[in-house]
Amino acid sequence: KAGVTQTPRYLIKTRGQQVTLSCSPISGHRSVSWYQQTPGQGLQFLFEYFSETQRNKGNFPGRFSGRQFSNSRSEMNVSTLELGDSALYLCASSLTGADNEKLFFGSGTQLSVL
Amino acid sequence: QKEVEQNSGPLSVPEGAIASLNCTYSDRVSQSFFWYRQYSGKSPELIMSIYSNGDKEDGRFTAQLNKASQYVSLLIRDSQPSDSATYLCAVKPRISGGYNKLIFGAGTRLAVHP
Repeated sequence: KAGVTQTPRYLIKTRGQQVTLSCSPISGHRSVSWYQQTPGQGLQFLFEYFSETQRNKGNFPGRFSGRQFSNSRSEMNVSTLELGDSALYLCASSLTGADNEKLFFGSGTQLSVL
Repeated sequence: QKEVEQNSGPLSVPEGAIASLNCTYSDRVSQSFFWYRQYSGKSPELIMSIYSNGDKEDGRFTAQLNKASQYVSLLIRDSQPSDSATYLCAVKPRISGGYNKLIFGAGTRLAVHP
């Protein structure tokens, strides 16, 4: 069974640009969540999607958005990039997001904002 | 007080010894607890999950949960140099609606020396 797949693996952008990251969950998984990891703040929750609906959102500005498609694939978008957005963006999936489900992470997209 | 606290380390242990990693959390009604291992430059990998008070063993790993003390620990027996990584404690808080909003600790760096 293939794992969580994220593309691209690396991305370099300049301030003010926007970026779209893609995530394909494990087959059969319908809950997709996104996390940002930085050396200073660690792993922080961005948002979670299930059946094309955002169910939960972390404390990030509105420049961070996402969506989920009918095949459970998800994208996240960051507009008007800032230097502080440089981070590893991780996508994770589980079956439904229920309490005792395990969450599996993809390899991440390393975003560098210059 | 941070929601999930871990000693950042580094925790240095000799090969073959027991490594003990600790984590405390603030959300008293949390039900699901996870330990992830993250090698440098890689994504987090789930190694243990625990939902009930007591011990849960899986190979060389034992997770311990004490909900009354709001304390989770991970023991690694017969530590190997390949266990050298950052270990992340994660809690799924009930208050925030659960789903896949995991709250992560900052991680403990473990170094196993030959």
